This record gives sequence, structure tokens and C-alpha cells, in this order.
Amino acid sequence: DQQVKQNSPSLSVQEGRISILNCDYTNSMFDYFLWYKKYPAEGPTFLISISSIKDKNEDGRFTVFLNKSAKHLSLHIVPSQPGDSAVYFCAASEGNNDMRFGAGTRLTVKP
Amino acid sequence: DTEVTQTPKHLVMGMTNKKSLKCEQHMGHRAMYWYKQKAKKPPELMFVYSYEKLSINESVPSRFSPECPNSSLLNLHLHALQPEDSALYLCASSQEPDRGPKLFFGSGTQLSVL
Repeated sequence: DQQVKQNSPSLSVQEGRISILNCDYTNSMFDYFLWYKKYPAEGPTFLISISSIKDKNEDGRFTVFLNKSAKHLSLHIVPSQPGDSAVYFCAASEGNNDMRFGAGTRLTVKP
Repeated sequence: DTEVTQTPKHLVMGMTNKKSLKCEQHMGHRAMYWYKQKAKKPPELMFVYSYEKLSINESVPSRFSPECPNSSLLNLHLHALQPEDSALYLCASSQEPDRGPKLFFGSGTQLSVL
């Protein structure tokens, strides 16, 4: 039973435009949500997070939105850059030790 | 030092072999994790060590045996693996924060079982 779902396996965006990556979850007990970015042959690296008491968190070009009633979160990247091309994983946790990942979305930013 | 170091990067082993994966961090993190990731699938949690004690074992077969010798080291001992165990094995660490985990991942060990 996959509790965190990323339904789009891939996304292609033009440089300078907005990238929107989506994530849905089923466990209403999740209280912390994170996005990780993964380049080939490297481990995932933390990008941005949001706790369940907030609905938006912004860090530079990256903004995460949380809609608890819809059990949905999204990552907005604006403006998108070619170096943003990677696989993006959505993750959610209940407490500090039990993190679940989505299957990932491969973002390609074209110059 | 903000790195999690995993060795080896690649490992090929037969089903009768015994091998170990190693993970090391010097960030003072007190929680360490093993994840398994198959191609085009999400990382799946295998084990969690918190303060050097096994706190979560996600029903992993006994042919995988974790060990946490100290707060900086985490091993995964492998014995009698099956070809379907071929995957990327990721180690991660985190502080014991008040609010929410943030995992630092190693680059992984790509394991092939023949």
C-alpha cells in the first residue's frame, strides 16, 4: 500500500517557466512533508520541507504548498533552470523516524 | 562534514556469498537508516537505528542483518541473497529534531546478486 503517490513519472518544462510537481498522500497522520532531489549516481538530497501546521513554505525559487483537506502537496520551481533537471521525490513522515517516499517525478528543463 | 559515506559504491555477489555494506557519518546524527530502492520505485525503508538501538525493522528478511557499532557507523550484513535483492541500497542519517526528520543520504551501493 503506497501511502505517498506521485502520479506523473515525468515532466518537461522550458527554461524560465514554472515547474509544478505534485504529490498525494493517504495517511492523515503524516505531520511533516519533504521534497528531495536526486541526480544520477547520487543519493537524494533534501530540498525543502513543510510541517502540517503550515500551508506554504518558500525558499528562493522553490515553494511547497500543502492542502491537508485534499491530502495534496506540490512543489513549484520558478524560474526553472536546466540544472534543476533531476528526479524529485516527495516524502512524508509520521513522527521522526518513519518516512515514506513517492515513486519520483523526472523533471527535464529544456534550454 | 555534512556527508554520509557509503562503501562500496558497487557490489556484485553470488547467492552463497557473505558481504557487508558500510555507512559512516560524522555529523553527530543519532538516527541512521537503511533504504532499498529498485529502479523506478520509491526508496523503501528497511531499518532505523535510533541512539544505536534498532527501533524499526520493516519486516525485512533475515538474510539482511543490520549492525550499528557506534553512533557514526552503520553496517548491513548480507548473506544468502536472492537475485530479486538486487537494488540500490541507501544509507541515511538524521538528527533527533523536535519537529520533523530531515534525512541526509549517502550515494548508495548498487548491489547485483547473481
